[in-house]
Amino acid sequence: GEDVEQSLFLSVREGDSSVINCTYTDSSSTYLYWYKQEPGAGLQLLTYIFSNMDMKQDQRLTVLLNKKDKHLSLRIADTQTGDSAIYFCAERWSGYSTLTFGKGTMLLVSP
Amino acid sequence: DAGVIQSPRHEVTEMGQEVTLRCKPISGHNSLFWYRQTMMRGLELLIYFNNNVPIDDSGMPEDRFSAKMPNASFSTLKIQPSEPRDSAVYFCASIPRASGNRDTQYFGPGTRLTVL
Repeated sequence: GEDVEQSLFLSVREGDSSVINCTYTDSSSTYLYWYKQEPGAGLQLLTYIFSNMDMKQDQRLTVLLNKKDKHLSLRIADTQTGDSAIYFCAERWSGYSTLTFGKGTMLLVSP
Repeated sequence: DAGVIQSPRHEVTEMGQEVTLRCKPISGHNSLFWYRQTMMRGLELLIYFNNNVPIDDSGMPEDRFSAKMPNASFSTLKIQPSEPRDSAVYFCASIPRASGNRDTQYFGPGTRLTVL
């Protein structure tokens, strides 16, 4: 496909794990990012992964990258109500400074 | 560090009026990006500057939109005349100088524009 694609909505219960999925467009993309947007706020960088990596872990966050399928996922362990937000994945194509964003996945965490 | 600063945070105007959105990037950052976010189209890149020079403005929707960066610490996005379909949240983001290949973008809080 031409676009970075994400599912639009995910609902989980507090304490469960959340997995947000993304497919990107260019197998030569060098960096892939996850951003978080809380209501009324800008985008906050959560984590990123370089394209020669398969996995990156940062506290409760685990990023998995499958280059063959151009699939990126973000796992949030022990999801909290404060994790409720919209999560964007983005790719940076090789040789470009700009990012291409998905439309975002709204994560709703219920108590 | 104050982060990327945008003003105003909210703007309500009438169709046909001129609108000017402002952005102050983080000190020392040398690339600046303007985005528009809507429910229908998501986050769209409008234009970006490197060292105050516009590099890619292919995302600017039409001639009613213009952007300037007169110095390293200030940029404006102007819409003249504004139309209801311009209603959106406009974000500014910047990248640190010599950030290496990460090119991590730091976003401002956005300006919510409503054109009646």
